[in-house]
Amino acid sequence: GENVEQHPSTLSVQEGDSAVIKCTYSDSASNYFPWYKQELGKRPQLIIDIRSNVGEKKDQRIAVTLNKTAKHFSLHITETQPEDSAVYFCAATSSYNTDKLIFGTGTRLQVFP
Amino acid sequence: DAGVIQSPRHEVTEMGQEVTLRCKPISGHDYLFWYRQTMMRGLELLIYFNNNVPIDDSGMPEDRFSAKMPNASFSTLKIQPSEPRDSAVYFCASSQAGSYEQYFGPGTRLTVT
Repeated sequence: GENVEQHPSTLSVQEGDSAVIKCTYSDSASNYFPWYKQELGKRPQLIIDIRSNVGEKKDQRIAVTLNKTAKHFSLHITETQPEDSAVYFCAATSSYNTDKLIFGTGTRLQVFP
Repeated sequence: DAGVIQSPRHEVTEMGQEVTLRCKPISGHDYLFWYRQTMMRGLELLIYFNNNVPIDDSGMPEDRFSAKMPNASFSTLKIQPSEPRDSAVYFCASSQAGSYEQYFGPGTRLTVT
């Protein structure tokens, strides 16, 4: 069945260090991979996404890489700041129903000052 | 645009009562999604609509849950009768055809006692 696995479930880093969160997906036909950030008590918000025809995308301190052959994609946050502390979710489109997103289980990132 | 609007923001009800959650998607968006978020199960897609038509309701947990979208600017998720295990945050999200990007509402925190 369709599945998105996300690791690690928790991640603690010192301010200024980098953080990397990894996801693997099961369906080779998935073609869109967004990342959402959810602060405590708030809604998930889209922070970056990548499509299957692109290997890497950057937006200031965040970047996403995609390896279609291995069916995995990663979120990289450089120069982390305390305000980066949140739960991050990856997702992938379902090939069975392309309008649908399959979400990972989330990574709780804590950035210590 | 005000973004996706949900009401109420908080709902506390007793077991057995009917609960109705409401959502107004972003104007011009063709897709509307209902999600449920709990610590145990993460972010689960319950049902989604395209142009007011339900497309996939495979995530609806049981017959106690129903959803409608009578027009392009309004949707409801109803639970009747409610049970304590329905306690969760319910999010509504919308997206535009061809975009994949889903924008989440602020959520409704439901507590069933």
